Amino acid sequence: DAKTTQPPSMDCAEGRAANLPCNHSTISGNEYVYWYRQIHSQGPQYIIHGLKNNETNEMASLIITEDRKSSTLILPHATLRDTAVYYCIVVGWTSGSRLTFGEGTQLTVNP
Amino acid sequence: GAGVSQSPSNKVTEKGKDVELRCDPISGHTALYWYRQSLGQGLEFLIYFQGNSAPDKSGLPSDRFSAERTGGSVSTLTIQRTQQEDSAVYLCASSSGTSGGAVGELFFGEGSRLTVL
Repeated sequence: DAKTTQPPSMDCAEGRAANLPCNHSTISGNEYVYWYRQIHSQGPQYIIHGLKNNETNEMASLIITEDRKSSTLILPHATLRDTAVYYCIVVGWTSGSRLTFGEGTQLTVNP
Repeated sequence: GAGVSQSPSNKVTEKGKDVELRCDPISGHTALYWYRQSLGQGLEFLIYFQGNSAPDKSGLPSDRFSAERTGGSVSTLTIQRTQQEDSAVYLCASSSGTSGGAVGELFFGEGSRLTVL
């Protein structure tokens, strides 16, 4: 499975959009991009995933570049409750695959 | 309940004792994962069950750790002869997906916090 690179930390003002980048330059054609977040002392929470196209749901938008080597998770109007560690994970669902969590990005939303 | 349920939520044990941690996945979910998270650390994969396939045990740290999943539903993680370094939050997750991107939509429980004295 492809390796991902994320900044260790980011800050965002409450009410503004939070744009979290992820590099996955070695991604292969059958690998998906997943985003999870973990709020302190809670289990991780699935946010969104995509393969090639941009995706949007009630929580966030996922923008994947045309070459698929990077992506951005967008929280359109960040709130204090969005403060969490955000994980970008790339995995292809062949036999033996599973989600491996890296270090993620600590997003702090400031009032 | 609607979510993944784990028990106990907290367990304090003495070094050398055996412990069992239980996970009730979401009904109908075919995939079940165990992870652990030590204080201030990331998630460490332990074991993965998918349907009737042989489990992926590649993340189990030693032969003191084992897990089973009975009837394709409830799973039990057993740690024998616990050591202080086993202290962590043990997280269970399940997924309904069997193909495509849905395979990676994991729903996590709140975890079982294990403290080994």
